[in-house]
Amino acid sequence: QVQLKETGPDLVQLTQTLSITCTVSGFSLTTYNVHWVRQPPGKGLEWMGAMWNGGGTDYNSAFKSRLSISRDTSKSQVFLKMNSLQTDDTAKYFCARHEGTMGSLFDYWGQGVMVTVSS
Amino acid sequence: DVVLTQTPSILSATIGQSVSISCRSSQSLLDSDGNTYLYWFLQRPGQSPQRLIYLVSNLGSGVPNRFSGSGSGTDFTLKISGVEAEDLGVYYCMQATHAPLTFGSGTKLEIK
Repeated sequence: QVQLKETGPDLVQLTQTLSITCTVSGFSLTTYNVHWVRQPPGKGLEWMGAMWNGGGTDYNSAFKSRLSISRDTSKSQVFLKMNSLQTDDTAKYFCARHEGTMGSLFDYWGQGVMVTVSS
Repeated sequence: DVVLTQTPSILSATIGQSVSISCRSSQSLLDSDGNTYLYWFLQRPGQSPQRLIYLVSNLGSGVPNRFSGSGSGTDFTLKISGVEAEDLGVYYCMQATHAPLTFGSGTKLEIK
């Protein structure tokens, strides 16, 4: 059974660093890619970046050098780290699976983790 | 970045009514490999998005066949043939032809 689950803090202080873990089951990170998507309260979806099955990464340039995605395949975990948090980084953060080609994106999603950036 | 414009932003329908949502792209979504990477998702209240349609018109696994997608180039449509109560939520189109992946701003479907 395919599952993705995000875990992370509810609250992060302004200018601090956010760390979220996506733990997957039912598939291998060396076969599937995992992406991060976020959604501010009451707003739409924004693609943040991807961890490719071969170990490479891609990022939305909107996040400049603030964002880092990594993984531990032995633990079936993908990590998101973003520094210099601002109040507009308050959002629900989702991880989502991607099978392989760009025609097979996001067939499974985690439930998301809501993060509030507080001053 | 590619901008996806969805209309309408809010849609009110009765059970059994057929409705359509438009997604227009600022650039052609036809890739050099011949594929068009246009997706549709439904986000029900309090839930994660669910993939409905991939590659313009292919139905996702387990998605009822009252959902259908069509279009090409820059103009795309999601149609629901006979709305059911469980279809309420926000519908998003997404493109993956051009980096970065981008989403439309969403269409909220309300049930009258």
